[in-house]
Amino acid sequence: AQTVTQSQPEMSVQEAETVTLSCTYDTSENNYYLFWYKQPPSRQMILVIRQEAYKQQNATENRFSVNFQKAAKSFSLKISDSQLGDTAMYFCAFRAISNNDMRFGAGTRLTVKP
Amino acid sequence: DTGVSQNPRHKITKRGQNVTFRCDPISEHNRLYWYRQTLGQGPEFLTYFQNEAQLEKSRLLSDRFSAERPKGSFSTLEIQRTEQGDSAMYLCASSLGLVIDEQFFGPGTRLTVL
Repeated sequence: AQTVTQSQPEMSVQEAETVTLSCTYDTSENNYYLFWYKQPPSRQMILVIRQEAYKQQNATENRFSVNFQKAAKSFSLKISDSQLGDTAMYFCAFRAISNNDMRFGAGTRLTVKP
Repeated sequence: DTGVSQNPRHKITKRGQNVTFRCDPISEHNRLYWYRQTLGQGPEFLTYFQNEAQLEKSRLLSDRFSAERPKGSFSTLEIQRTEQGDSAMYLCASSLGLVIDEQFFGPGTRLTVL
């Protein structure tokens, strides 16, 4: 069974600074996808960034980038130049190519302080 | 608005009553997912449809839960004989069904069972 662990229930960062959210996962699959989703307060969840496990290059989307370490089963999210609108719950998620059962971590509540 | 919509947004019911939720996916999406999210946790997969066919069901989906997608468009999730433990946010997501299969989430239906 696949499990996703986010060890930081809450984090805070000053506006314009950089923050890194941690995620580890456990799986016996070799082909899978990893995702970071953002859930702002009282708003729906949106995809921030995704990584295909077969790609060695780390994914980047504007201010968001990941550090994907396949051997260590680690998938951290770095947010650069943090903005107040980045305040949200962030969920790390895993999906094996072999099925459609997406597994989420418990989330990290990020607060960006002015 | 062309996103995923869910109705109702909030539902309060008494234990033992039946409830039904509706999800309207993005129109061209052929995959539809249901998740349950309890406070402080990430979403947990319940079930998914490819067009009108229900292809996967989680063990979390007890006999009291049933989901349908009769014409491959909108979906309903019914909970019979609700229990207090059913109180949660029920999320719907849809996707195009491509390999990476990015899921777009709706705002959710918050169920409170008294």
